[in-house]
Amino acid sequence: GQNIDQPTEMTATEGAIVQINCTYQTSGFNGLFWYQQHAGEAPTFLSYNVLDGLEEKGRFSSFLSRSKGYSYLLLKELQMKDSASYLCAVKGRGSTLGRLYFGRGTQLTVWP
Amino acid sequence: DVKVTQSSRYLVKRTGEKVFLECVQDMDHENMFWYRQDPGLGLRLIYFSYDVKMKEKGDIPEGYSVSREKKERFSLILESASTNQTSMYLCASSSLQANQPQHFGDGTRLSIL
Repeated sequence: GQNIDQPTEMTATEGAIVQINCTYQTSGFNGLFWYQQHAGEAPTFLSYNVLDGLEEKGRFSSFLSRSKGYSYLLLKELQMKDSASYLCAVKGRGSTLGRLYFGRGTQLTVWP
Repeated sequence: DVKVTQSSRYLVKRTGEKVFLECVQDMDHENMFWYRQDPGLGLRLIYFSYDVKMKEKGDIPEGYSVSREKKERFSLILESASTNQTSMYLCASSSLQANQPQHFGDGTRLSIL
């Protein structure tokens, strides 16, 4: 089976740094995606990792360790608008090519 | 920019009705997906399609069917709507390239009374 785990909720203050962890156990791995979803809106793509290491994109970075089945999303210089749900998703291989297995999302609240 | 358009933002139907949710994408994507999203349960895959007239069951296909007669359009059908199908329904599409993300529509909030 597929199992994607991430914390349910996190809180942080404006200007701080927050790290959202994701662990996964899947039959086959073809990349890991992070999405951001504001309340009442569609998920939007943030980052993609398929090789081990850190990918940086402005205030957001994403890290992957395939041997550990582990990823994190790092958000720097937090702003109020970063309050949202962050979804971790793993892409499978073979017959499941194309589909994503989603975690339940981490609800991040940024306080002033 | 990729555009995934869902036919309705809000929809109210009655128990037992046959309900159609439509989704259209404009990027010639091979893959299309239907999810439902419920509080505490996250995104759950109902059905997906990787080509015209092809479909695969996701994790919760019971009570639903799909149709993909044209590449750009993927329809979700609730054969006989029930109250436990009240939910947010999200359509997504993607290309076959492994590193390309799924792009989501704005969602349809469906209420079954």
